[in-house]
Amino acid sequence: GENVEQHPSTLSVQEGDSAVIKCTYSDSASNYFPWYKQELGKGPQLIIDIRSNVGEKKDQRIAVTLNKTAKHFSLHITETQPEDSAVYFCAASGGSYIPTFGRGTSLIVHP
Amino acid sequence: DSGVTQTPKHLITATGQRVTLRCSPRSGDLSVYWYQQSLDQGLQFLIQYYNGEERAKGNILERFSAQQFPDLHSELNLSSLELGDSALYFCASSVGSGQETQYFGPGTRLLVL
Repeated sequence: GENVEQHPSTLSVQEGDSAVIKCTYSDSASNYFPWYKQELGKGPQLIIDIRSNVGEKKDQRIAVTLNKTAKHFSLHITETQPEDSAVYFCAASGGSYIPTFGRGTSLIVHP
Repeated sequence: DSGVTQTPKHLITATGQRVTLRCSPRSGDLSVYWYQQSLDQGLQFLIQYYNGEERAKGNILERFSAQQFPDLHSELNLSSLELGDSALYFCASSVGSGQETQYFGPGTRLLVL
C-alpha cells in the first residue's frame, strides 16, 4: 500500500517568514495530493490540493509543488501569520481514492 | 464550519463497553468516511460508505462496525472497547466516491478507562 512520509514534525518560524513542509510517497500510481490544516479541537480542513497533471498550484499565500519523478510534494506558506499556527497534513491517493496521510507537521508562528 | 456534524463531542466509557458514534454528512454528499486519529498512529482510514453501501475498508478492527442509513447519516459502532481504542474519531463526507474533497467533521473524542 501507499506510504507517506512527512517532514519536519515540528516547524517554528517568526511571523512574516516562509514555511515549507515536505512529503514523499511510495506508490507511483498516486495522482491526487491534498493538504489539510487542523486547528486545535477541530477536524482537518482542506487548504489546497494538486493533481499529477500539474507541477505547481498557488492560492494566495500558499502553494504546493509536485515532483512525480522523485515522488515528493511540498507545501509553501509565505508571509506566515500567527493564525497559520496549526497541524498540517499531507496525503496521497491513487486508484483506491482513499488518501493515505502523513504524520503531520506542527507549525508554530511566533508573533 | 464544514457542514459535517458529529455527536457526541466527547465520550468517556469503560473497557469492555460498546459505544455508537454518529455522523451527518454535508447536504448532498453521498460518501461518508470514518477515520481514527491517535498520537502514535496518526490519521488512519477505517471505512467508507457510498449511498448506503460499503465502498472501501481500511484498518478497521473486527470489533468495529459501521453503517450508512437511507437518510445518509452514518454510525460507527465500537464494541469490547480496550484502552488502546482511546482516540479521536472523525467522519468526513464527499459528493461522490472518487478523488473529491473530503470535508471533515469536528470529531468525537473517545476515552476508554
